[in-house]
Amino acid sequence: GAVVSQHPSWVICKSGTSVKIECRSLDFQATTMFWYRQFPKQSLMLMATSNEGSKATYEQGVEKDKFLINHASLTLSTLTVTSAHPEDSSFYICSARETGVQPQHFGDGTRLSIL
Amino acid sequence: QKEVEQNSGPLSVPEGAIASLNCTYSDRGSQSFFWYRQYSGKSPELIMFIYSNGDKEDGRFTAQLNKASQYVSLLIRDSQPSDSATYLCAVNMRGGSQGNLIFGKGTKLSVKP
Repeated sequence: GAVVSQHPSWVICKSGTSVKIECRSLDFQATTMFWYRQFPKQSLMLMATSNEGSKATYEQGVEKDKFLINHASLTLSTLTVTSAHPEDSSFYICSARETGVQPQHFGDGTRLSIL
Repeated sequence: QKEVEQNSGPLSVPEGAIASLNCTYSDRGSQSFFWYRQYSGKSPELIMFIYSNGDKEDGRFTAQLNKASQYVSLLIRDSQPSDSATYLCAVNMRGGSQGNLIFGKGTKLSVKP
């Protein structure tokens, strides 16, 4: 149980393109979903936390107008990187949690490369 | 500053040995503790979680929690080369952003055949 599906796995696109990443909890209802970014050989960095039906809470230094998060249902959250630039190239990982005391379960991640 | 500290390693153990991974955390009121394994280029995978003081065993893995010392550890018995990965300690601290996890930077484990 506790499967989180993330798509796409890889994205390569030109600078200025907007990219949407989907995160789905397949066998549980995720009241909270999290979006992380990880650069090579560095630790996970939390970008934002979203609760179903509410606006996302962004971590300090993360631009909410650049990284648009929608959590419209208990099983789906999306992250849209708007007008992506090469410095946005990274490994983006979502996680989902059923309730406050349950573990977070991670998707497989999306490797984003902006040319 | 809410922190989770881990030795970055690498920790190298021979195949069949016990690997011991350690983690300390700053918030004495923390309630839940998690160990994740992350292979290179992959996303983290939950190994174990523990909420109460003492030991919790699951197969070759044992999590140990000592809230008084603000210390949590993961023991891997009969280590295998496939256990080679980075192990992330995560703590659900009070007052964190909507109760999210605070991750350590991870300990890289290498199991030599």
